[in-house]
Amino acid sequence: ETGVTQTPRHLVMGMTNKKSLKCEQHLGHNAMYWYKQSAKKPLELMFVYNFKEQTENNSVPSRFSPECPNSSHLFLHLHTLQPEDSALYLCASSQDGSGGEAFFGQGTRLTVV
Amino acid sequence: AQKVTQAQTEISVVEKEDVTLDCVYETRDTTYYLFWYKQPPSGELVFLIRRNSFDEQNEISGRYSWNFQKSTSSFNFTITASQVVDSAVYFCALSEARNRDDKIIFGKGTRLHILP
Repeated sequence: ETGVTQTPRHLVMGMTNKKSLKCEQHLGHNAMYWYKQSAKKPLELMFVYNFKEQTENNSVPSRFSPECPNSSHLFLHLHTLQPEDSALYLCASSQDGSGGEAFFGQGTRLTVV
Repeated sequence: AQKVTQAQTEISVVEKEDVTLDCVYETRDTTYYLFWYKQPPSGELVFLIRRNSFDEQNEISGRYSWNFQKSTSSFNFTITASQVVDSAVYFCALSEARNRDDKIIFGKGTRLHILP
């Protein structure tokens, strides 16, 4: 049990579908993150939420839309994705923006067909 | 700009051998944090260690040890008497203190195979 739970673990979607990834943390952390891990690139930070406010959008295409309704939950809404968006999407949380370690979920393996 | 380089893409060693994973970083900040994470086949990243830039003491935790050298901008990780369960991808990462959002930059990772 890592304290950060992601669902679903695996997702296959067509390019015209709309789906959402969910992340939940029970660690009392105030910062949450979405990372993308693909075979050809290192881990890429996509979005950062600090105290429910989005503080970073790392030039992510608009077909990825994050939502943070409260400090424990983070969503990534997906629509009209491309095959190259297939990757492992990792959610993480940390106490706050003070250089503390981040705790990661197990990730959602996304395949876009 | 901040950057983390893990030059070793993949390493294979026989069980019980020692293995060192290299990490070289670049930053213009004087205050920063360095991390190592382990990613087993299950996918989640497991935090192993955090070091701040003012603490150059080497650290040992069981079979794991870390060698932080600011002079060479390196933060290497050694596993002693490796075990099959150590097989995973290991990521070195850097976070600059001035970045209030705790943005962590990762290296590309080193895939470690421990052969029985």
